[in-house]
Amino acid sequence: AQSVAQPEDQVNVAEGNPLTVKCTYSVSGNPYLFWYVQYPNRGLQFLLKYITGDNLVKGSYGFEAEFNKSQTSFHLKKPSALVSDSALYFCAVRAGGYQKVTFGIGTKLQVIP
Amino acid sequence: KAGVTQTPRYLIKTRGQQVTLSCSPISGHRSVSWYQQTPGQGLQFLFEYFSETQRNKGNFPGRFSGRQFSNSRSEMNVSTLELGDSALYLCASSLASSGGSYNEQFFGPGTRLTVL
Repeated sequence: AQSVAQPEDQVNVAEGNPLTVKCTYSVSGNPYLFWYVQYPNRGLQFLLKYITGDNLVKGSYGFEAEFNKSQTSFHLKKPSALVSDSALYFCAVRAGGYQKVTFGIGTKLQVIP
Repeated sequence: KAGVTQTPRYLIKTRGQQVTLSCSPISGHRSVSWYQQTPGQGLQFLFEYFSETQRNKGNFPGRFSGRQFSNSRSEMNVSTLELGDSALYLCASSLASSGGSYNEQFFGPGTRLTVL
């Protein structure tokens, strides 16, 4: 069975500082990994994905994520946090094209002015 | 291009009733998935449809069912509602083929279901 863990319920970071939102996964075979963001009272929006190729993936709004196969991690990062980045972030994994997508429980990011 | 639309946006029902939620995917998207979102539980996968066929199913009781029409629109039904069914129900569509789907999902705004 595939699973995703987001070990932090909430991450607080000061505006302008780098941010990291952690994600680890467990799947059989090659994973397809995704990050989504949910702003208050809005639907989920896609940020970035890893399918294959370069381990460092760049996405929307200046976010990036690094795929680490040995650590089974896919942490989301941004060099300089903005107050407007405050939202709920979800990591998701798909074990293959026919498998369901499994989401983590979400991490609330709070960027403090 | 219009996004994923869900109707209704809000629903209030009482225990024992049934409810039908509707989802219209982005034009050209043949894969539609449904999720239940509750605080502390994140997104729980309900089912995925592709070309009118259920491709995957989550661990929900048989009271939860769905279907997809030939125009890719999808509905989900919950019968004999329980208090614990109160949640935000999200629909997502994606580009997919018969060979599987590796693409990101586009989410609708959700239907907020409250069971009293």
